[in-house]
Amino acid sequence: QKEVEQDPGPLSVPEGAIVSLNCTYSNSAFQYFMWYRQYSRKGPELLMYTYSSGNKEDGRFTAQVDKSSKYISLFIRDSQPSDSATYLCAMIVGQGAQKLVFGQGTRLTINP
Amino acid sequence: EAGVAQSPRYKIIEKRQSVAFWCNPISGHATLYWYQQILGQGPKLLIQFQNNGVVDDSQLPKDRFSAERLKGVDSTLKIQPAKLEDSAVYLCASSPRQGADWNEQFFGPGTRLTVL
Repeated sequence: QKEVEQDPGPLSVPEGAIVSLNCTYSNSAFQYFMWYRQYSRKGPELLMYTYSSGNKEDGRFTAQVDKSSKYISLFIRDSQPSDSATYLCAMIVGQGAQKLVFGQGTRLTINP
Repeated sequence: EAGVAQSPRYKIIEKRQSVAFWCNPISGHATLYWYQQILGQGPKLLIQFQNNGVVDDSQLPKDRFSAERLKGVDSTLKIQPAKLEDSAVYLCASSPRQGADWNEQFFGPGTRLTVL
C-alpha cells in the first residue's frame, strides 16, 4: 500500500465550477500537509500548506485536513482555465525531517 | 530572487550510457534535494543534502546513481549505466535551512531524461 493515495484523474470541469481534489494517507506520523500545482514541463510550486486538522483558506483555494480519517482535500472555487494543471498532495513527518512524500497527482482541466 | 536552475532541460541517451544533471539552488539555501518523477506519478526523493553532507539517500539506487554537492552549493546527479526505467523527469529543489519543523521546498524546472 502506498503511503499517500491520490486519484490521478483526469478531471475535467467547466469554468466557474467548484473543484474538489482529495488524498488519503496511511502514516499517522504525518503532520504537515501541502498542495503543489505543477504546470506541464514545469516544476511543482507550493499552493498551500497546513499543520494539523482543520481548514485553511487562501483566496479561491481552501485546504482541509481530517487527521482522524487520514484524509486531505483541496477546494478550488470559481475555477479558471489558468487553474488547469496537475495537483499534487504532499506530506512530511516534520520534527526536522524534510522528506516530502507525494501523491500521484490529479490532472485537472478547466474548460472555458 | 532567482529560482532553482537545472541543466540540461532535455536529454536523450541509449541504455547503458552515462548521463549527468546539474543543479544550482537558490542562493543561501542550505538544503538541496533530488527527486525522480516518472510520467504519471508524483516526485520521489532520491537524495537530500544539508550543505555538502548527505542527510537521506535511502531511495537512491546506489549501484547506478551517484550525487555530490560541491562546496555546499551546486550539485550533480549521475546515472551510470542508464536503464530504460530511468526515463523520468529529475527535479532539483532547495530549501532555506534544516532544523525547523518544516521549510518550503522550491523546485527547479527539471531535466527530462529519455533512455532508448
